[in-house]
Amino acid sequence: DSGVTQTPKHLITATGQRVTLRCSPRSGDLSVYWYQQSLDQGLQFLIQYYNGEERAKGNILERFSAQQFPDLHSELNLSSLELGDSALYFCASTPGVAGGVYNEQFFGPGTRLTVL
Amino acid sequence: GENVEQHPSTLSVQEGDSAVIKCTYSDSASNYFPWYKQELGKRPQLIIDIRSNVGEKKDQRIAVTLNKTAKHFSLHITETQPEDSAVYFCAAIKAAGNKLTFGGGTRVLVKP
Repeated sequence: DSGVTQTPKHLITATGQRVTLRCSPRSGDLSVYWYQQSLDQGLQFLIQYYNGEERAKGNILERFSAQQFPDLHSELNLSSLELGDSALYFCASTPGVAGGVYNEQFFGPGTRLTVL
Repeated sequence: GENVEQHPSTLSVQEGDSAVIKCTYSDSASNYFPWYKQELGKRPQLIIDIRSNVGEKKDQRIAVTLNKTAKHFSLHITETQPEDSAVYFCAAIKAAGNKLTFGGGTRVLVKP
């Protein structure tokens, strides 16, 4: 157990719908990262938040958005869902000292999203 | 931005043999290189990492080497066992940027 939690574990929805994925980082970690992993594909970085502020952005679609709340949990919102959005969505956390030495990213168990 | 290339994409080895996975990166400012192992349907887990101030690091049957001049790093698994079967990802990052770029992954199959 990495200490990072994600809910829900599985999500099945229809095209055009909107869903919210939730991530709680390890206690004390300030940075949260979101990744998308499609079937048999690599890990695509979506977005990073550090202490409530967006810090880095990857190939995140405009239909997707995220935020990190004062209690440091994060939510990834996916709207106007398409079949191709079906994937495993992971979040990860690090202590994330800004500009400091980089530390290991601890991954959550993932949310498996199926769009029908 | 950073680009990480990983080879091979699949690797099949006989139990007891060695496995080697190679990665190249593009950004010479990258200074931290972790390797993650992901079993089917599970989360990626760090197995070993190396920082740019060292050339090699070992942990039991696993070792990583780094050549900063050539901008490549490799994972070596010796005496492979069936439980080593998984997908392995390399990654690179600049500490200040905090954006981890992953390679495409290598699916390793260890045949008994």
